[in-house]
Amino acid sequence: EVQLVQSGAEVKKPGESLKISCKGSGYSFTSYWIGWVRQMPGKGLEWMGIIYPGDSDTRYSPSFQGQVTISADKSISTAYLQWTSLKASDTAMYYCVSSSGSGWFDPWGQGTLVTVSS
Amino acid sequence: EIVMTQSPATLSVSPGQRATLSCRASQGVGSSLAWYKQKPGQAPRLLIYGASTRATGIPARFSGSGSGTEFTLTISSLQSEDFAVFYCQQYNNWPRTFGQGTKVEIK
Repeated sequence: EVQLVQSGAEVKKPGESLKISCKGSGYSFTSYWIGWVRQMPGKGLEWMGIIYPGDSDTRYSPSFQGQVTISADKSISTAYLQWTSLKASDTAMYYCVSSSGSGWFDPWGQGTLVTVSS
Repeated sequence: EIVMTQSPATLSVSPGQRATLSCRASQGVGSSLAWYKQKPGQAPRLLIYGASTRATGIPARFSGSGSGTEFTLTISSLQSEDFAVFYCQQYNNWPRTFGQGTKVEIK
């Protein structure tokens, strides 16, 4: 079974750094894209960016370019989403998603809730 | 960036009735369109890809149609578990983009 398991909820202060993770299992990790989707409280889905672990090709939404960094460690089948300086507006649920070369998202991770508050 | 616009924002439907949800792309995306369902407190789940192909395990009451800029998701007979928020997403261009969602609520 293809599965994505994300790291646990985080509570951080503005200005702190954070790296959340998404571990893939049940498939060839290097053969599928892994993306990240943000969902702010009570709002819709926003595509942030995506990485192909096979060659580290990474694409970002213009809305998130420069705000976050997406990376992957194929030796442990894990993708990451990283912030260097969190803001209160980064408070959201973050989902990782697996994507074939064609581009739809399936499956989804269970989500990581990030809360940024002073 | 391609803007995806869903309508209506909220759809009130009685159980057993048919629901029709629309999704419009600001420019053509061919058949590179997916639909997702999200229930409260859960991650979204893929329903449809390629505009009309049901994902594994998705019941036949869900059907998708359209191409280019106009797409439709139809739920033929709403079950209790179908009251949720539905999103469309295009994957023809970078960046991938989602619609803002349609909430299907019990009438």
